Amino acid sequence: EVQLLESGGGLVQPGGSLRLSCAASGFSLGDYSMTWVRQAPGKGLEWVSTILPNAVTTHYGDSVKGRFTISRDNSKNTLYLEMNSLRADDTAVYYCAKSLRRYGSGPHDDAFDIWGQGTMVTVSS
Amino acid sequence: DVQMTQSPSTLSASVGDRVTISCRASQNVWSSLAWHQQKPQKAPKLLISDASNLESGVPSRFSGSASGTEFTLTISSLQPEDFATYYCQQYGTFPVTFGQGTKLEIK
Repeated sequence: EVQLLESGGGLVQPGGSLRLSCAASGFSLGDYSMTWVRQAPGKGLEWVSTILPNAVTTHYGDSVKGRFTISRDNSKNTLYLEMNSLRADDTAVYYCAKSLRRYGSGPHDDAFDIWGQGTMVTVSS
Repeated sequence: DVQMTQSPSTLSASVGDRVTISCRASQNVWSSLAWHQQKPQKAPKLLISDASNLESGVPSRFSGSASGTEFTLTISSLQPEDFATYYCQQYGTFPVTFGQGTKLEIK
């Protein structure tokens, strides 16, 4: 079964750091672009960051640029999100998501067909 | 960034009703449009990709269509399990963006 499982969320003080992980199973992570999407309490979905299979090309939303770092270890089938200088408005459920099509076989950006269950990040003093 | 405007924000309907949810893109995204369903405290679920391609396992009462920058999700006959929030997502222009969501409620 194709599955994503996030971990690493929790309560952190403003200015603090947190590292999220997303373990993939049932498919080869290295074949797909992977993305983090977040959802603040009671709000909609917000794209955070995407990393291509080469693990070198990364993209970030303006609200997290310079503070968050996305990375991946294809050999461990795991995606990461390092979050620094956290602010109250970073409070959200963070989802990892898999692109629908293998990189190169579809559009550069893609729909997300598999989502993790989400991990809650709360930034508060 | 491409703005995705969904309407309505909230929709009240009954089991058996036919409902439509609209999503308008602020610029051309071609057919790079997906629809996701999200139930409370759950992750989103992909229903439709490429504007009208129904994902495997999704009931055939769901359908999608496109006309220029206007996209529509139709549920032909609402079932109790369909009451949820629906989001459109465009991936035709970087960065991907989502609509604000349409909450489908029981009348």
